[in-house]
Amino acid sequence: QKEVEQDPGPLSVPEGAIVSLNCTYSNSAFQYFMWYRQYSRKGPELLMYTYSSGNKEDGRFTAQVDKSSKYISLFIRDSQPSDSATYLCAMSAGGTYKYIFGTGTRLKVLA
Amino acid sequence: DAGVIQSPRHEVTEMGQEVTLRCKPISGHDYLFWYRQTMMRGLELLIYFNNNVPIDDSGMPEDRFSAKMPNASFSTLKIQPSEPRDSAVYFCASRTSGANTGELFFGEGSRLTVL
Repeated sequence: QKEVEQDPGPLSVPEGAIVSLNCTYSNSAFQYFMWYRQYSRKGPELLMYTYSSGNKEDGRFTAQVDKSSKYISLFIRDSQPSDSATYLCAMSAGGTYKYIFGTGTRLKVLA
Repeated sequence: DAGVIQSPRHEVTEMGQEVTLRCKPISGHDYLFWYRQTMMRGLELLIYFNNNVPIDDSGMPEDRFSAKMPNASFSTLKIQPSEPRDSAVYFCASRTSGANTGELFFGEGSRLTVL
């Protein structure tokens, strides 16, 4: 079993839809949780960063962490064609910069 | 500011040849990471350095892979001899230890094809 599991998609939604992306993990030592966005043929870029459990909102994006269930989510409201990309979750334990990434979910927002 | 710079952007080589990938991190960043990305396995950490010293190389697949960081502004990842299963996109990333944001700054990657 991989440490971090992520549905690869692809996920196609109409413009304006609410998108939910998820990851599960097995290592209870993970404390730092991130979402990266990767456009085609580019490097990943940080989208959201959260520490421990709870919610964090930034514009149209909301990240949720449920450590008891070992489950993290990213919600995108009012999705736009420019949100079409691969979304990767990443996480790490305290005291290390060894980030473990999910395989990524490919999202396509249709105009 | 210039971001992380990787070269070459694309490399096509034949099995058995030596491949050298290069990376220039963002100035002032004290951590440098090498990742490999494939469809099947996603983004895998190969090795990372702190202040030019390798900290964790447990992700390096085998002895054919080696990485060096001779100074704060340059790192190489070498594969010798290369095999078709090494075909992937190799990313270099850097960060500073001072920021509490979880942000790694990635280069645009080196796409390697081994025939």
